[in-house]
Amino acid sequence: QSVLTQPPSVSGAPGQRVTISCSGSSSNIGAGYDLHWYQQFPGRAPKLLIYANTNRPSGVPDRFSASKSGTSASLAITGLQAEDEADYYCHSYDSSLRGSVFGGGTRLTVL
Amino acid sequence: QLQLQESGPGLVKPSETLSLICTVTDDSLSNTNYYWGWIRQPPGKGLEWIGSLYYRGSAYYNPSLKSRVTISGDASKSQFSLKLTSVTAADTAVYYCARHLVRGWVFDYWGQGTLVTASS
Repeated sequence: QSVLTQPPSVSGAPGQRVTISCSGSSSNIGAGYDLHWYQQFPGRAPKLLIYANTNRPSGVPDRFSASKSGTSASLAITGLQAEDEADYYCHSYDSSLRGSVFGGGTRLTVL
Repeated sequence: QLQLQESGPGLVKPSETLSLICTVTDDSLSNTNYYWGWIRQPPGKGLEWIGSLYYRGSAYYNPSLKSRVTISGDASKSQFSLKLTSVTAADTAVYYCARHLVRGWVFDYWGQGTLVTASS
């Protein structure tokens, strides 16, 4: 059981908007620690998608956005494309564990 | 361009020690802005942080693995290593090394990963 909770799967048709939630607690997201998102394709290493809650690294399309509120966060993908089909992970620091915690991952399927 | 590359045996016998090395190109383990970490991913499952090393030699470990893990570094070789003792089949995973910021703990660069199978 992951410290951060994500839905196992989400899906959407090309062009649609999907969101992926990430729920934490008062020792991680709720404590104000930054929340990050990673994209992972099969057989590949995770790639940083969003850092420090809302920021996109250079090269990440602005179709990807994220927000954080209280003990939860969410990733939104607009104008869904077939190439977005991947696994998505949220990540934060946890003060109780004194280290990194990841969500269980969400598989995005583009219908 | 920063690169990280994992190396080590792909097969480890149960009860033995898993040992991996991460070689860093174009950065220094002495960079005070970063930790150097290990993350693993069992086949078909999610990511699990194993631990991280800071340049002064201090290390932080996942409490669930702490009794079996040691992470150390050799800045002169730009390498840091992972040792996991008493492995079982549950330790079979792709092991990634990665760099993460001290501030925010974001993993910004990852190695390609290496599959380690614990089997006799």
